[in-house]
Amino acid sequence: KQEVTQIPAALSVPEGENLVLNCSFTDSAIYNLQWFRQDPGKGLTSLLLIQSSQREQTSGRLNASLDKSSGRSTLYIAASQPGDSATYLCAAQDDKIIFGKGTRLHILP
Amino acid sequence: GAGVSQSPSNKVTEKGKDVELRCDPISGHTALYWYRQSLGQGLEFLIYFQGNSAPDKSGLPSDRFSAERTGGSVSTLTIQRTQQEDSAVYLCASSARGQGAGSKNIQYFGAGTRLSVL
Repeated sequence: KQEVTQIPAALSVPEGENLVLNCSFTDSAIYNLQWFRQDPGKGLTSLLLIQSSQREQTSGRLNASLDKSSGRSTLYIAASQPGDSATYLCAAQDDKIIFGKGTRLHILP
Repeated sequence: GAGVSQSPSNKVTEKGKDVELRCDPISGHTALYWYRQSLGQGLEFLIYFQGNSAPDKSGLPSDRFSAERTGGSVSTLTIQRTQQEDSAVYLCASSARGQGAGSKNIQYFGAGTRLSVL
Protein backbone atom coordinates (compact mmCIF):
# COMPACT_ATOMS: atom_id res chain seq x y z
CA LYS A 1 0.00 0.00 0.00
CA GLN A 2 1.44 3.34 -1.07
CA GLU A 3 2.18 5.82 1.70
CA VAL A 4 3.30 9.39 1.11
CA THR A 5 5.05 11.39 3.81
CA GLN A 6 5.96 15.06 3.81
CA ILE A 7 8.51 16.62 6.09
CA PRO A 8 8.43 19.09 7.71
CA ALA A 9 4.75 19.53 8.53
CA ALA A 10 5.29 23.27 8.88
CA LEU A 11 8.07 25.66 7.96
CA SER A 12 8.68 29.37 8.47
CA VAL A 13 11.49 31.12 6.64
CA PRO A 14 12.43 34.77 6.03
CA GLU A 15 11.61 36.28 2.69
CA GLY A 16 14.30 35.82 0.06
CA GLU A 17 15.63 32.51 1.30
CA ASN A 18 15.79 29.40 -0.82
CA LEU A 19 14.04 26.37 0.64
CA VAL A 20 13.39 22.69 0.06
CA LEU A 21 10.26 20.71 0.81
CA ASN A 22 10.56 16.95 1.06
CA CYS A 23 8.24 14.16 -0.01
CA SER A 24 8.84 10.42 0.34
CA PHE A 25 6.81 7.49 -0.95
CA THR A 26 6.99 3.81 -0.10
CA ASP A 27 6.21 2.17 -3.45
CA SER A 28 8.50 3.23 -6.29
CA ALA A 29 6.21 1.80 -8.98
CA ILE A 30 4.55 5.12 -9.70
CA TYR A 31 3.42 6.69 -12.96
CA ASN A 32 4.14 10.21 -11.85
CA LEU A 33 4.54 12.51 -8.89
CA GLN A 34 2.79 15.84 -8.64
CA TRP A 35 3.23 18.87 -6.43
CA PHE A 36 0.24 21.04 -5.54
CA ARG A 37 -0.33 24.27 -3.72
CA GLN A 38 -3.36 24.86 -1.52
CA ASP A 39 -4.34 28.28 -0.24
CA PRO A 40 -6.72 28.56 2.75
CA GLY A 41 -10.32 27.99 1.71
CA LYS A 42 -9.31 27.21 -1.85
CA GLY A 43 -8.89 24.11 -3.96
CA LEU A 44 -5.61 22.70 -5.14
CA THR A 45 -3.44 24.21 -7.82
CA SER A 46 -1.10 21.93 -9.72
CA LEU A 47 2.47 23.24 -9.67
CA LEU A 48 4.62 20.57 -11.29
CA LEU A 49 4.14 17.02 -12.53
CA ILE A 50 7.11 14.71 -12.98
CA GLN A 51 6.61 11.61 -15.07
CA SER A 52 8.23 8.41 -13.81
CA SER A 53 10.79 8.58 -16.62
CA GLN A 54 11.84 12.12 -15.68
CA ARG A 55 14.16 13.32 -12.96
CA GLU A 56 13.05 16.93 -12.60
CA GLN A 57 10.71 19.65 -13.77
CA THR A 58 11.09 23.41 -13.51
CA SER A 59 8.60 26.25 -13.55
CA GLY A 60 9.82 29.73 -12.75
CA ARG A 61 11.28 29.75 -9.23
CA LEU A 62 10.13 26.19 -8.61
CA ASN A 63 12.11 23.04 -9.28
CA ALA A 64 10.90 19.55 -8.45
CA SER A 65 13.10 16.48 -8.52
CA LEU A 66 12.22 12.81 -8.48
CA ASP A 67 14.36 9.87 -7.36
CA LYS A 68 12.22 6.76 -7.75
CA SER A 69 14.88 4.39 -6.49
CA SER A 70 15.03 6.11 -3.12
CA GLY A 71 11.34 7.00 -3.06
CA ARG A 72 11.94 10.71 -2.74
CA SER A 73 10.90 13.97 -4.34
CA THR A 74 11.87 17.50 -3.42
CA LEU A 75 10.35 20.85 -4.24
CA TYR A 76 12.89 23.65 -4.34
CA ILE A 77 11.63 27.22 -4.08
CA ALA A 78 14.15 29.92 -4.93
CA ALA A 79 14.09 33.46 -3.56
CA SER A 80 10.96 32.90 -1.49
CA GLN A 81 8.26 35.58 -1.36
CA PRO A 82 5.37 36.19 1.08
CA GLY A 83 2.98 35.14 -1.69
CA ASP A 84 4.50 31.68 -1.56
CA SER A 85 2.88 31.12 1.83
CA ALA A 86 0.51 28.18 1.43
CA THR A 87 0.27 24.45 2.05
CA TYR A 88 2.25 22.36 -0.41
CA LEU A 89 1.10 18.83 -1.15
CA CYS A 90 2.80 16.07 -3.05
CA ALA A 91 0.91 13.19 -4.60
CA ALA A 92 2.21 9.89 -5.96
CA GLN A 93 0.19 8.15 -8.63
CA ASP A 94 0.10 4.44 -9.32
CA ASP A 95 -3.39 2.98 -9.76
CA LYS A 96 -4.61 5.72 -7.45
CA ILE A 97 -3.31 9.09 -6.43
CA ILE A 98 -2.11 9.16 -2.84
CA PHE A 99 -1.46 12.51 -1.21
CA GLY A 100 0.85 13.47 1.61
CA LYS A 101 -0.51 15.57 4.46
CA GLY A 102 1.31 18.63 3.21
CA THR A 103 3.83 21.17 4.43
CA ARG A 104 2.45 24.48 5.69
CA LEU A 105 4.86 27.13 4.50
CA HIS A 106 4.98 30.62 5.95
CA ILE A 107 7.29 33.21 4.40
CA LEU A 108 8.09 35.98 6.84
CA PRO A 109 8.14 39.48 5.29
CA GLY B 1 -16.68 28.48 -16.72
CA ALA B 2 -13.12 27.61 -17.48
CA GLY B 3 -12.38 25.75 -14.25
CA VAL B 4 -13.86 23.00 -12.10
CA SER B 5 -16.96 24.26 -10.33
CA GLN B 6 -18.32 22.81 -7.10
CA SER B 7 -21.55 23.60 -5.31
CA PRO B 8 -22.47 24.43 -2.70
CA SER B 9 -19.30 26.00 -1.33
CA ASN B 10 -20.53 25.43 2.21
CA LYS B 11 -23.12 23.02 3.55
CA VAL B 12 -24.32 22.70 7.12
CA THR B 13 -26.58 19.78 7.87
CA GLU B 14 -27.97 17.86 10.79
CA LYS B 15 -26.79 14.40 11.67
CA GLY B 16 -28.88 11.79 9.87
CA LYS B 17 -29.79 13.97 6.89
CA ASP B 18 -28.77 13.19 3.31
CA VAL B 19 -26.62 15.65 1.34
CA GLU B 20 -25.71 16.01 -2.33
CA LEU B 21 -22.55 17.69 -3.51
CA ARG B 22 -22.16 18.72 -7.12
CA CYS B 23 -19.12 18.92 -9.39
CA ASP B 24 -18.95 20.48 -12.84
CA PRO B 25 -15.66 19.41 -14.47
CA ILE B 26 -13.77 21.26 -17.15
CA SER B 27 -15.52 20.77 -20.48
CA GLY B 28 -14.02 17.85 -22.41
CA HIS B 29 -12.25 16.29 -19.44
CA THR B 30 -12.94 12.58 -19.39
CA ALA B 31 -11.64 11.83 -15.90
CA LEU B 32 -13.28 13.05 -12.69
CA TYR B 33 -12.15 12.45 -9.12
CA TRP B 34 -13.64 13.02 -5.68
CA TYR B 35 -11.43 13.50 -2.61
CA ARG B 36 -12.07 14.29 1.03
CA GLN B 37 -9.88 16.39 3.29
CA SER B 38 -10.63 16.13 6.97
CA LEU B 39 -9.25 18.61 9.50
CA GLY B 40 -5.54 17.97 10.00
CA GLN B 41 -5.52 15.10 7.52
CA GLY B 42 -4.24 14.72 4.01
CA LEU B 43 -6.42 14.25 0.98
CA GLU B 44 -8.26 10.97 0.87
CA PHE B 45 -9.24 9.48 -2.48
CA LEU B 46 -12.93 8.58 -2.70
CA ILE B 47 -13.96 7.70 -6.26
CA TYR B 48 -12.74 8.02 -9.85
CA PHE B 49 -14.71 8.18 -13.11
CA GLN B 50 -13.05 7.66 -16.49
CA GLY B 51 -15.18 8.02 -19.59
CA ASN B 52 -17.80 5.30 -19.84
CA SER B 53 -15.85 2.80 -17.75
CA ALA B 54 -17.14 1.52 -14.43
CA PRO B 55 -16.01 3.92 -11.69
CA ASP B 56 -13.30 3.03 -9.21
CA LYS B 57 -15.22 3.18 -5.93
CA SER B 58 -12.50 1.65 -3.80
CA GLY B 59 -12.00 4.80 -1.72
CA LEU B 60 -15.58 5.26 -0.57
CA PRO B 61 -15.51 4.88 3.24
CA SER B 62 -18.93 3.28 3.65
CA ASP B 63 -22.08 2.34 1.78
CA ARG B 64 -23.58 5.65 2.85
CA PHE B 65 -21.43 7.27 0.19
CA SER B 66 -22.27 7.06 -3.51
CA ALA B 67 -21.52 9.06 -6.63
CA GLU B 68 -22.87 9.37 -10.13
CA ARG B 69 -21.64 11.02 -13.26
CA THR B 70 -24.38 11.80 -15.72
CA GLY B 71 -23.64 12.10 -19.41
CA GLY B 72 -19.93 11.93 -18.77
CA SER B 73 -19.96 15.43 -17.34
CA VAL B 74 -21.53 16.62 -14.08
CA SER B 75 -21.02 14.44 -11.02
CA THR B 76 -22.97 14.24 -7.78
CA LEU B 77 -21.56 12.83 -4.54
CA THR B 78 -24.32 11.73 -2.17
CA ILE B 79 -23.87 11.05 1.51
CA GLN B 80 -26.80 9.38 3.19
CA ARG B 81 -27.58 9.54 6.90
CA THR B 82 -24.69 11.92 7.55
CA GLN B 83 -22.52 11.47 10.63
CA GLN B 84 -20.35 14.02 12.41
CA GLU B 85 -17.20 12.27 11.15
CA ASP B 86 -18.34 13.08 7.59
CA SER B 87 -17.50 16.74 8.27
CA ALA B 88 -14.71 17.65 5.86
CA VAL B 89 -13.91 19.54 2.69
CA TYR B 90 -14.91 17.53 -0.35
CA LEU B 91 -12.80 18.28 -3.41
CA CYS B 92 -13.48 17.40 -7.00
CA ALA B 93 -10.89 17.31 -9.77
CA SER B 94 -10.92 16.61 -13.48
CA SER B 95 -8.25 15.79 -16.00
CA ALA B 96 -8.09 15.45 -19.75
CA ARG B 97 -6.96 11.85 -19.52
CA GLY B 98 -7.25 9.10 -16.98
CA GLN B 99 -4.66 7.29 -14.96
CA GLY B 100 -2.03 5.05 -16.47
CA ALA B 101 1.55 4.90 -17.58
CA GLY B 102 2.49 7.72 -19.88
CA SER B 103 -0.58 9.75 -19.00
CA LYS B 104 0.15 13.37 -18.29
CA ASN B 105 -2.94 13.51 -16.12
CA ILE B 106 -2.69 16.98 -14.68
CA GLN B 107 -5.62 17.32 -12.35
CA TYR B 108 -7.48 20.58 -11.96
CA PHE B 109 -9.26 21.03 -8.68
CA GLY B 110 -12.38 22.87 -7.68
CA ALA B 111 -12.53 25.06 -4.59
CA GLY B 112 -14.32 22.32 -2.65
CA THR B 113 -17.46 22.00 -0.58
CA ARG B 114 -17.04 22.43 3.15
CA LEU B 115 -19.49 20.06 4.83
CA SER B 116 -20.33 20.50 8.48
CA VAL B 117 -22.51 17.90 10.17
CA LEU B 118 -23.97 19.10 13.46
